[in-house]
Amino acid sequence: GEDVEQSLFLSVREGDSSVINCTYTDSSSTYLYWYKQEPGAGLQLLTYIFSNMDMKQDQRLTVLLNKKDKHLSLRIADTQTGDSAIYFCAESRTGGSYIPTFGRGTSLIVHP
Amino acid sequence: EPEVTQTPSHQVTQMGQEVILRCVPISNHLYFYWYRQILGQKVEFLVSFYNNEISEKSEIFDDQFSVERPDGSNFTLKIRSTKLEDSAMYFCASSPLLGVSGGNTGELFFGEGSRLTVL
Repeated sequence: GEDVEQSLFLSVREGDSSVINCTYTDSSSTYLYWYKQEPGAGLQLLTYIFSNMDMKQDQRLTVLLNKKDKHLSLRIADTQTGDSAIYFCAESRTGGSYIPTFGRGTSLIVHP
Repeated sequence: EPEVTQTPSHQVTQMGQEVILRCVPISNHLYFYWYRQILGQKVEFLVSFYNNEISEKSEIFDDQFSVERPDGSNFTLKIRSTKLEDSAMYFCASSPLLGVSGGNTGELFFGEGSRLTVL
């Protein structure tokens, strides 16, 4: 079955880059997502990447996908205190259930 | 901006009691979901619902759980006889479509969650 793993915590200094990592097991994963959960709020889609892509960039966000190693990363450039949140990796696949499988979330703590 | 709303935000109950968690999905969405997250663990899929019936459920969603859409706007999750291990944050989500066809990204729109504490 599908499984998604990510580390629990990441602490960075404001202005530095943050890299949040995720590994997944389903080789048929077609869509990979990063969701962000701010305090007191629900999970909100931040960005996504299709499995036929290696990289996607969106302003300060860069998503890298290594299909061979089943490794997904989210890089946040110039991290701000407002980026402090929990970041969830998720995957889904076509040809079966489209319902996303989530990890446990990585708490990003940004300190001045 | 339309959003998914959930009530209550926090419920404390005694073991063995019935609990109903309520959700109002985004109005033009067709698919509805419940996930839960036990503290420190993964966000786990429970059930999906479409066209007034369950379309998929996980192993967690046993006979103690049920869902319904009683009035065309609310989507509820009922736990008949709560156990200590049901303590978790329960997230409702909705989506306009299923999967990623027709330009849809497969995004789920989540509510803020209902924290259930079973004593």
